Amino acid sequence: DQQVKQNSPSLSVQEGRISILNCDYTNSMFDYFLWYKKYPAEGPTFLISISSIKDKNEDGRFTVFLNKSAKHLSLHIVPSQPGDSAVYFCAASQAGTALIFGKGTTLSVSS
Amino acid sequence: DTEVTQTPKHLVMGMTNKKSLKCEQHMGHRAMYWYKQKAKKPPELMFVYSYEKLSINESVPSRFSPECPNSSLLNLHLHALQPEDSALYLCASSTAETSYNEQFFGPGTRLTVL
Repeated sequence: DQQVKQNSPSLSVQEGRISILNCDYTNSMFDYFLWYKKYPAEGPTFLISISSIKDKNEDGRFTVFLNKSAKHLSLHIVPSQPGDSAVYFCAASQAGTALIFGKGTTLSVSS
Repeated sequence: DTEVTQTPKHLVMGMTNKKSLKCEQHMGHRAMYWYKQKAKKPPELMFVYSYEKLSINESVPSRFSPECPNSSLLNLHLHALQPEDSALYLCASSTAETSYNEQFFGPGTRLTVL
């Protein structure tokens, strides 16, 4: 049973617009969430994280929102750039244990 | 140096071969990880080393044997693999064995078992 779900396998956005990537989780004990970006032939790269005591974390063009009651988090990229085209993985953990990854969403940003 | 390096980039081996994957980091990280990733699937944790000691083995078959010779190096020894073991093998490291410290991933080794 998947504990971290990214239900949209792909997302296409125009350059300059907002990209919203979604992630749902089932384990209410998860207390830390991370987003990773992965280009082909490279390992995942850490992007941004959020603790369960917060509902928002911002870093430049990237903002992660956490809705604990809905067990949902989202990554907003504004403005989207062609270089953002990659696979985005949501990951979660409980009390510092191993990360559980979602299946990923492929983002394509067209110019 | 904020890089995790992995060698080789690609590896093709037969089911009777013995080979090793290598991972190296010089960031002073004390936790190192092996993940396996199949196509269109998320990375799956295999092993965690913390302070050069194996702390997590996610029920991985014994044909995969990890080794951490020192704090900068992590090896994965392979023997008698099956074709279904073909995957991308990712190494990662973090400052400590907790996800609160984000993990840095290497580029991976693409393994094909014939």
